[in-house]
Amino acid sequence: SSELTQDPAVSVALGQTVRITCQGDSLRTYCASWYQQKPGQAPVLVIYGKNNRPSGIPDRFSGSSSGNTASLTITGAQAEDEADYYCNSRDSSDNHLVFAGGTKLTVL
Amino acid sequence: QVQLQESGPGLVKPSETLSLTCTVSGGSISSYYWSWIRQPPGKGLEWIGYIYYSGRTTYNPSLKSRVTISVDMSKNQFSLKLNSVTAADTAVYYCARGDSGSGSYYKDGWETYYYYYIDVWGKGTTVTVSS
Repeated sequence: SSELTQDPAVSVALGQTVRITCQGDSLRTYCASWYQQKPGQAPVLVIYGKNNRPSGIPDRFSGSSSGNTASLTITGAQAEDEADYYCNSRDSSDNHLVFAGGTKLTVL
Repeated sequence: QVQLQESGPGLVKPSETLSLTCTVSGGSISSYYWSWIRQPPGKGLEWIGYIYYSGRTTYNPSLKSRVTISVDMSKNQFSLKLNSVTAADTAVYYCARGDSGSGSYYKDGWETYYYYYIDVWGKGTTVTVSS
């Protein structure tokens, strides 16, 4: 099974743009999906596929990818975006799922 | 709207078997991948395994020797059994629904991409392993 890596922590000023990245070999075949988790709550899907947002997710969230790196971009970060963000993918060789370690986003 | 609810003991003794059930309401368990995911205190998410509605299972290699996931279509439930538990298995356990798909885009020729996502999560249940 492959692994995914994320920076442990990122900060952004209120209203500015922030990019959270995820790296791993599985991302060359399977798109990353991105989850937001606030303290004491279950994760929530925010981006999946090439750049798809589930219903109810603000359009300031977007996704992109290149090679073995996927990115989650928040354009105009809000205070309520402060949370842990996890990327997830699937290994095409064995169909195992994998989560990266997560990025703690602080909105200053 | 599909909802998932975990149930099972909150306390399990070391060396015993952790058993959890996830009840699916508001939709059928037919189709989709049904996962168990856990999160130790203060740590990240760890995928335990999933079962396709047909009964085909895939497990995390690090837990495979101790894990069994099964589905009961008649009750719209799926279950997790993790045996020989230790304190390291103390975590919030989530059940979740996943799906997969593919698409194509043009870049120097047509290319196919694949995706997998988890769109419905249970609220999670805390399981503590302690004597």
